[in-house]
Amino acid sequence: NAGVTQTPKFRVLKTGQSMTLLCAQDMNHEYMYWYRQDPGMGLRLIHYSVGEGTTAKGEVPDGYNVSRLKKQNFLLGLESAAPSQTSVYFCASTAALHNEKLFFGSGTQLSVL
Amino acid sequence: AQSVTQLGSHVSVSEGALVLLRCNYSSSVPPYLFWYVQYPNQGLQLLLKYTSAATLVKGINGFEAEFKKSETSFHLTKPSAHMSDAAEYFCAVSKGGSYIPTFGRGTSLIVHP
Repeated sequence: NAGVTQTPKFRVLKTGQSMTLLCAQDMNHEYMYWYRQDPGMGLRLIHYSVGEGTTAKGEVPDGYNVSRLKKQNFLLGLESAAPSQTSVYFCASTAALHNEKLFFGSGTQLSVL
Repeated sequence: AQSVTQLGSHVSVSEGALVLLRCNYSSSVPPYLFWYVQYPNQGLQLLLKYTSAATLVKGINGFEAEFKKSETSFHLTKPSAHMSDAAEYFCAVSKGGSYIPTFGRGTSLIVHP
């Protein structure tokens, strides 16, 4: 029972480089989210998706793009990484039934030098 | 708009002492409220949730929270702290049907022997 799987777990980038973070869930959930976690800031929503083929901006979307081509996958892209994007990134998903809980992945530690 | 305020970024207790983590919310409609816990190097997992069925909610690991509408609060308590309770705790609020929770900044619980 995998749940929500994030890859990679760690990554170091140089300023200006690009990368894609992959989130996969095997629970047939409709909603998927990308959050970033920074010390003292809690979790802030970057982008989210309410179903295959749809995405929407969250609280801090600048510098990120997302895609949900398949229901089980939600990709987060950084086109030109900046040091301000150094953070821990969490993916989550939910079935969106009666305000069900979010299921979280184990996170991706990203450092941008 | 909805928001969550967690009072105290760090709470320190002795093993066996009462744990009280404070959460106040603002919401324009009746809210759904959640407490999540994050152990080191892990994603968040649900402790408990309030969805209007009962004002006192019992969660896992002996934690409980009471919804007080008049005080717009949803404080988390545990009668007797255990060393294994040391973690980061997040309060979250969402509007019924929105499935887009807003998280507080988190409270780090430190448990001393």
